[in-house]
Amino acid sequence: QVHLVQSGAEVKRPGASVKVSCRASGYTFTIYYLHWVRQAPGQGLEWMGIINPGGGSTAYAQRFQGRITMTRDTSTSTVFMELSSLRSGDTAVYYCARGVYGDYGFDQWGQGTLVTVSS
Amino acid sequence: QTVVTQEPSFSVSPGGTATLTCGLSSGSVSTSSSPSWYQQTPGQAPRTLIYSTNIRSSGVPDRFSGSILGNKAALTITGAQADDESDYYCVLYMGTGMDHVFGTGTKVTVL
Repeated sequence: QVHLVQSGAEVKRPGASVKVSCRASGYTFTIYYLHWVRQAPGQGLEWMGIINPGGGSTAYAQRFQGRITMTRDTSTSTVFMELSSLRSGDTAVYYCARGVYGDYGFDQWGQGTLVTVSS
Repeated sequence: QTVVTQEPSFSVSPGGTATLTCGLSSGSVSTSSSPSWYQQTPGQAPRTLIYSTNIRSSGVPDRFSGSILGNKAALTITGAQADDESDYYCVLYMGTGMDHVFGTGTKVTVL
Protein backbone atom coordinates (compact mmCIF):
# COMPACT_ATOMS: atom_id res chain seq x y z
CA GLN A 1 0.00 0.00 0.00
CA VAL A 2 1.28 3.41 -0.97
CA HIS A 3 2.03 5.82 1.86
CA LEU A 4 3.40 9.35 1.85
CA VAL A 5 4.26 10.45 5.39
CA GLN A 6 5.22 14.06 6.00
CA SER A 7 7.14 15.72 8.77
CA GLY A 8 5.45 17.59 11.59
CA ALA A 9 4.19 21.12 11.95
CA GLU A 10 6.65 24.01 11.97
CA VAL A 11 6.59 27.57 13.30
CA LYS A 12 9.03 29.96 11.68
CA ARG A 13 9.92 33.64 11.91
CA PRO A 14 9.63 35.87 8.86
CA GLY A 15 12.80 35.66 6.80
CA ALA A 16 13.65 32.15 7.96
CA SER A 17 13.59 28.94 5.92
CA VAL A 18 11.60 25.75 6.39
CA LYS A 19 12.35 22.25 5.14
CA VAL A 20 9.48 19.76 4.94
CA SER A 21 10.03 16.07 4.27
CA CYS A 22 7.85 13.42 2.63
CA ARG A 23 8.77 9.77 3.06
CA ALA A 24 7.39 7.35 0.51
CA SER A 25 6.70 3.66 0.94
CA GLY A 26 4.82 0.85 -0.77
CA TYR A 27 6.12 1.43 -4.30
CA THR A 28 9.31 1.96 -6.31
CA PHE A 29 10.37 5.43 -5.19
CA THR A 30 12.45 6.34 -8.23
CA ILE A 31 9.85 5.87 -10.96
CA TYR A 32 7.11 8.26 -9.82
CA TYR A 33 7.44 12.02 -9.83
CA LEU A 34 6.56 13.80 -6.60
CA HIS A 35 4.88 17.19 -6.40
CA TRP A 36 4.43 19.78 -3.69
CA VAL A 37 1.13 21.61 -3.27
CA ARG A 38 0.13 24.14 -0.63
CA GLN A 39 -3.08 25.56 0.78
CA ALA A 40 -3.24 28.80 2.74
CA PRO A 41 -5.96 29.04 5.41
CA GLY A 42 -9.38 29.28 3.79
CA GLN A 43 -7.87 29.32 0.31
CA GLY A 44 -7.56 26.95 -2.62
CA LEU A 45 -4.79 24.57 -3.60
CA GLU A 46 -1.63 25.82 -5.29
CA TRP A 47 0.95 23.79 -7.20
CA MET A 48 4.53 24.58 -6.19
CA GLY A 49 6.74 22.24 -8.17
CA ILE A 50 7.87 18.74 -9.04
CA ILE A 51 10.86 16.49 -8.53
CA ASN A 52 11.92 13.37 -10.37
CA PRO A 53 13.24 11.14 -7.58
CA GLY A 54 15.09 9.02 -10.12
CA GLY A 55 17.44 11.66 -11.47
CA GLY A 56 16.75 14.53 -9.10
CA SER A 57 15.62 16.99 -11.77
CA THR A 58 13.13 19.62 -10.67
CA ALA A 59 10.72 22.19 -12.05
CA TYR A 60 9.17 24.96 -9.99
CA ALA A 61 6.17 27.23 -10.39
CA GLN A 62 7.37 30.64 -11.51
CA ARG A 63 6.14 32.44 -8.40
CA PHE A 64 8.44 30.34 -6.19
CA GLN A 65 11.52 30.48 -8.40
CA GLY A 66 14.56 31.53 -6.39
CA ARG A 67 12.95 30.67 -3.06
CA ILE A 68 12.23 26.96 -3.35
CA THR A 69 14.47 23.91 -3.51
CA MET A 70 13.33 20.31 -3.86
CA THR A 71 15.72 17.47 -3.19
CA ARG A 72 15.53 13.75 -2.59
CA ASP A 73 17.33 11.01 -0.68
CA THR A 74 16.93 7.72 -2.48
CA SER A 75 18.41 5.77 0.44
CA THR A 76 15.41 6.67 2.59
CA SER A 77 12.83 7.22 -0.19
CA THR A 78 12.32 10.77 1.03
CA VAL A 79 11.80 14.03 -0.80
CA PHE A 80 12.33 17.44 0.75
CA MET A 81 10.91 20.86 0.01
CA GLU A 82 12.76 23.88 1.35
CA LEU A 83 11.20 27.34 1.14
CA SER A 84 13.31 30.34 2.09
CA SER A 85 12.70 34.01 2.90
CA LEU A 86 9.43 33.10 4.56
CA ARG A 87 6.69 35.70 4.98
CA SER A 88 3.29 35.61 6.60
CA GLY A 89 1.68 34.73 3.28
CA ASP A 90 3.57 31.43 3.30
CA THR A 91 1.51 30.23 6.25
CA ALA A 92 -0.19 27.18 4.80
CA VAL A 93 -0.58 23.43 4.84
CA TYR A 94 2.00 21.90 2.53
CA TYR A 95 1.23 18.58 0.82
CA CYS A 96 3.38 16.18 -1.13
CA ALA A 97 1.56 14.27 -3.85
CA ARG A 98 2.67 11.43 -6.07
CA GLY A 99 2.38 12.02 -9.79
CA VAL A 100 0.35 9.70 -12.00
CA TYR A 101 2.74 7.31 -13.72
CA GLY A 102 3.22 8.26 -17.34
CA ASP A 103 0.68 11.07 -17.14
CA TYR A 104 -0.11 14.31 -15.35
CA GLY A 105 -1.94 15.02 -12.13
CA PHE A 106 -1.61 13.29 -8.76
CA ASP A 107 -2.75 9.94 -7.45
CA GLN A 108 -1.68 9.77 -3.80
CA TRP A 109 -1.32 12.47 -1.16
CA GLY A 110 0.60 12.98 2.04
CA GLN A 111 -1.25 14.03 5.17
CA GLY A 112 -0.05 17.62 5.02
CA THR A 113 2.32 19.74 7.11
CA LEU A 114 1.23 23.02 8.66
CA VAL A 115 3.84 25.75 8.40
CA THR A 116 3.09 28.89 10.38
CA VAL A 117 5.11 32.03 9.74
CA SER A 118 4.77 34.48 12.59
CA SER A 119 6.86 37.00 14.43
CA GLN B 1 -1.52 34.74 -16.77
CA THR B 2 -3.97 31.96 -17.51
CA VAL B 3 -6.57 31.29 -14.83
CA VAL B 4 -8.35 27.96 -14.45
CA THR B 5 -11.97 28.71 -13.64
CA GLN B 6 -14.58 26.70 -11.76
CA GLU B 7 -18.04 27.51 -10.45
CA PRO B 8 -17.62 28.92 -6.92
CA SER B 9 -20.53 26.90 -5.64
CA PHE B 10 -23.01 24.25 -6.75
CA SER B 11 -26.09 22.90 -5.06
CA VAL B 12 -27.53 19.46 -5.84
CA SER B 13 -30.41 17.47 -4.37
CA PRO B 14 -29.79 14.05 -2.84
CA GLY B 15 -29.94 11.53 -5.68
CA GLY B 16 -29.52 14.26 -8.26
CA THR B 17 -26.80 14.92 -10.81
CA ALA B 18 -24.16 17.63 -10.58
CA THR B 19 -21.89 18.61 -13.43
CA LEU B 20 -18.95 20.79 -12.42
CA THR B 21 -16.80 22.45 -15.05
CA CYS B 22 -13.18 23.52 -15.40
CA GLY B 23 -12.28 26.09 -17.99
CA LEU B 24 -9.51 28.44 -19.06
CA SER B 25 -9.68 32.23 -18.91
CA SER B 26 -8.31 32.14 -22.44
CA GLY B 27 -8.51 29.11 -24.67
CA SER B 28 -10.10 25.69 -24.53
CA VAL B 29 -9.51 22.66 -22.37
CA SER B 30 -8.75 19.45 -24.24
CA THR B 31 -7.48 15.99 -23.35
CA SER B 32 -3.93 17.26 -23.91
CA SER B 33 -4.33 19.23 -20.67
CA SER B 34 -4.90 15.88 -18.94
CA PRO B 35 -7.58 17.26 -16.60
CA SER B 36 -7.79 15.71 -13.15
CA TRP B 37 -10.24 16.18 -10.27
CA TYR B 38 -9.85 16.17 -6.49
CA GLN B 39 -12.27 16.13 -3.58
CA GLN B 40 -11.42 17.82 -0.30
CA THR B 41 -13.32 18.04 2.96
CA PRO B 42 -12.32 20.58 5.63
CA GLY B 43 -9.17 19.66 7.51
CA GLN B 44 -8.37 16.72 5.24
CA ALA B 45 -5.88 16.11 2.47
CA PRO B 46 -7.30 16.08 -1.03
CA ARG B 47 -8.52 12.80 -2.47
CA THR B 48 -7.94 11.98 -6.12
CA LEU B 49 -11.12 11.23 -8.05
CA ILE B 50 -10.25 11.40 -11.75
CA TYR B 51 -7.07 11.74 -13.78
CA SER B 52 -6.26 11.83 -17.51
CA THR B 53 -9.70 13.35 -18.23
CA ASN B 54 -11.82 10.30 -17.36
CA ILE B 55 -9.88 7.60 -15.48
CA ARG B 56 -11.23 6.94 -12.02
CA SER B 57 -8.67 6.61 -9.27
CA SER B 58 -8.59 3.37 -7.32
CA GLY B 59 -11.58 2.97 -5.03
CA VAL B 60 -13.58 5.86 -6.47
CA PRO B 61 -17.23 4.91 -7.07
CA ASP B 62 -18.48 4.94 -10.65
CA ARG B 63 -20.98 7.70 -9.91
CA PHE B 64 -18.02 10.06 -10.40
CA SER B 65 -17.09 10.51 -14.03
CA GLY B 66 -14.91 12.90 -16.02
CA SER B 67 -15.24 14.21 -19.56
CA ILE B 68 -14.70 17.12 -21.92
CA LEU B 69 -17.87 19.16 -22.49
CA GLY B 70 -17.46 21.75 -25.20
CA ASN B 71 -14.35 23.72 -24.33
CA LYS B 72 -14.19 22.69 -20.68
CA ALA B 73 -13.36 19.66 -18.56
CA ALA B 74 -16.27 18.35 -16.53
CA LEU B 75 -16.82 16.25 -13.43
CA THR B 76 -20.24 14.64 -13.15
CA ILE B 77 -21.61 13.27 -9.89
CA THR B 78 -24.56 10.99 -10.54
CA GLY B 79 -26.83 10.09 -7.64
CA ALA B 80 -25.39 12.65 -5.25
CA GLN B 81 -25.05 11.60 -1.63
CA ALA B 82 -24.74 13.61 1.55
CA ASP B 83 -21.06 12.77 1.92
CA ASP B 84 -20.35 14.25 -1.52
CA GLU B 85 -20.62 17.62 0.13
CA SER B 86 -17.04 18.86 -0.30
CA ASP B 87 -14.79 21.21 -2.20
CA TYR B 88 -13.81 20.00 -5.66
CA TYR B 89 -10.71 21.12 -7.53
CA CYS B 90 -9.60 20.48 -11.07
CA VAL B 91 -5.99 20.55 -12.26
CA LEU B 92 -4.76 21.19 -15.78
CA TYR B 93 -1.32 20.49 -17.18
CA MET B 94 -0.08 23.62 -18.94
CA GLY B 95 2.65 22.01 -20.98
CA THR B 96 5.48 24.32 -20.01
CA GLY B 97 7.98 23.53 -17.27
CA MET B 98 5.78 20.70 -16.06
CA ASP B 99 3.37 23.34 -14.73
CA HIS B 100 0.18 22.04 -13.19
CA VAL B 101 -2.44 24.66 -12.36
CA PHE B 102 -5.31 24.22 -9.92
CA GLY B 103 -8.73 25.57 -10.60
CA THR B 104 -10.38 27.99 -8.22
CA GLY B 105 -12.47 25.22 -6.64
CA THR B 106 -16.19 24.50 -6.35
CA LYS B 107 -18.00 24.08 -3.06
CA VAL B 108 -20.71 21.46 -3.52
CA THR B 109 -23.72 21.41 -1.23
CA VAL B 110 -26.12 18.47 -1.14
CA LEU B 111 -29.57 19.52 0.06
